[in-house]
Amino acid sequence: KAGVTQTPRYLIKTRGQQVTLSCSPISGHRSVSWYQQTPGQGLQFLFEYFSETQRNKGNFPGRFSGRQFSNSRSEMNVSTLELGDSALYLCASAETYLYGYTFGSGTRLTVV
Amino acid sequence: AQSVTQLDSHVSVSEGTPVLLRCNYSSSYSPSLFWYVQHPNKGLQLLLKYTSAATLVKGINGFEAEFKKSETSFHLTKPSAHMSDAAEYFCVVSTYNQGGKLIFGQGTELSVKP
Repeated sequence: KAGVTQTPRYLIKTRGQQVTLSCSPISGHRSVSWYQQTPGQGLQFLFEYFSETQRNKGNFPGRFSGRQFSNSRSEMNVSTLELGDSALYLCASAETYLYGYTFGSGTRLTVV
Repeated sequence: AQSVTQLDSHVSVSEGTPVLLRCNYSSSYSPSLFWYVQHPNKGLQLLLKYTSAATLVKGINGFEAEFKKSETSFHLTKPSAHMSDAAEYFCVVSTYNQGGKLIFGQGTELSVKP
């Protein structure tokens, strides 16, 4: 069974630009969550989607948004990038949270 | 509100000795608890999970954890450390009403000396 696939693995963007990150969950997993990991703040929840609906949202500004498609693939978008958005962005998928989430390897975003 | 506190930011053990990584949680509802491990430049891997069944949970690679409601703790243990166990470990909590939202502790870095 293929794992959670995130693309791209690495990304360098300029302040003020926008970026879209992609996540393909494990086949059959309808819940997809996104997290931001930084050395200072640790792992922080961004949002969770289930069957194309956003069920939970973390405390991030509106510049961070996401969506889920009918095949459960998900994208997250960050507009008007700031230097502080530099982080590892992790996507995770699950059939149900009770089984535990499987994480992808992440997208390393650097904003210069 | 939910929260997780990992009591040690760094733990160092010798190979072959026991490992203890401590975690306390706070939750208004019956929690689900998880331990994840992250090796350098890798994603997170699920070690084990507690979801209101047996309080002693066995995971992969010889790790286990015990849920103690009276102490609001979920400590991770392993009888004998291996060099390959060196990594960062995260204690995580979730509840049924926010199941898809995982709250992570700050992490414990485990070092294993030969």
